[in-house]
Amino acid sequence: KQEVTQIPAALSVPEGENLVLNCSFTDSAIYNLQWFRQDPGKGLTSLLLIQSSQREQTSGRLNASLDKSSGRSTLYIAASQPGDSATYLCAVMDAGGTSYGKLTFGQGTILTVHP
Amino acid sequence: KAGVTQTPRYLIKTRGQQVTLSCSPISGHRSVSWYQQTPGQGLQFLFEYFSETQRNKGNFPGRFSGRQFSNSRSEMNVSTLELGDSALYLCASSSLAIVNEQFFGPGTRLTVL
Repeated sequence: KQEVTQIPAALSVPEGENLVLNCSFTDSAIYNLQWFRQDPGKGLTSLLLIQSSQREQTSGRLNASLDKSSGRSTLYIAASQPGDSATYLCAVMDAGGTSYGKLTFGQGTILTVHP
Repeated sequence: KAGVTQTPRYLIKTRGQQVTLSCSPISGHRSVSWYQQTPGQGLQFLFEYFSETQRNKGNFPGRFSGRQFSNSRSEMNVSTLELGDSALYLCASSSLAIVNEQFFGPGTRLTVL
């Protein structure tokens, strides 16, 4: 059974700092991995999708890497801003016919960027 | 392109009642997945529909059911509500069968009293 773990559970940084969020998963047989952000009481916003054959994806100040063999992904946020404050969630979709439409989520990292 | 929409946004029900939640996917998307989010359990997969067929189901009791219509809109139903069903219910849509990005709606906040 796939399990996803995110470290740290919470992170507080001053504005302008570069930071790294970590995600690990127990079963390396995945189709893809997605990073999301969630603002309080809201839905999820997709940040980056990495296919299993890819090593990294970039969007603006965000860079996500994937090391499938070791079951790890990192989300790098450059030059953090107060508007980046949110919960960041990592989710994987397992390979195989029983995985249709199913993402397995980590518990999230609560990020606070203070001015 | 309009995003995923969910109605209603908020619901208050009492134990024993039933509830129906609705999800309209992004135009052209044929896969709809449902998730339950609670502070204790986090985000958990309920079920997925593709072209009106349930292809996958999570580990939830039979009180949780769903369906998908020919226009890809989906509904989920919870019967005999329990206090523990209070949660944010999220749906997500994607355009292809397996490997595509999922896009989430704003969710329906269900409170069971």
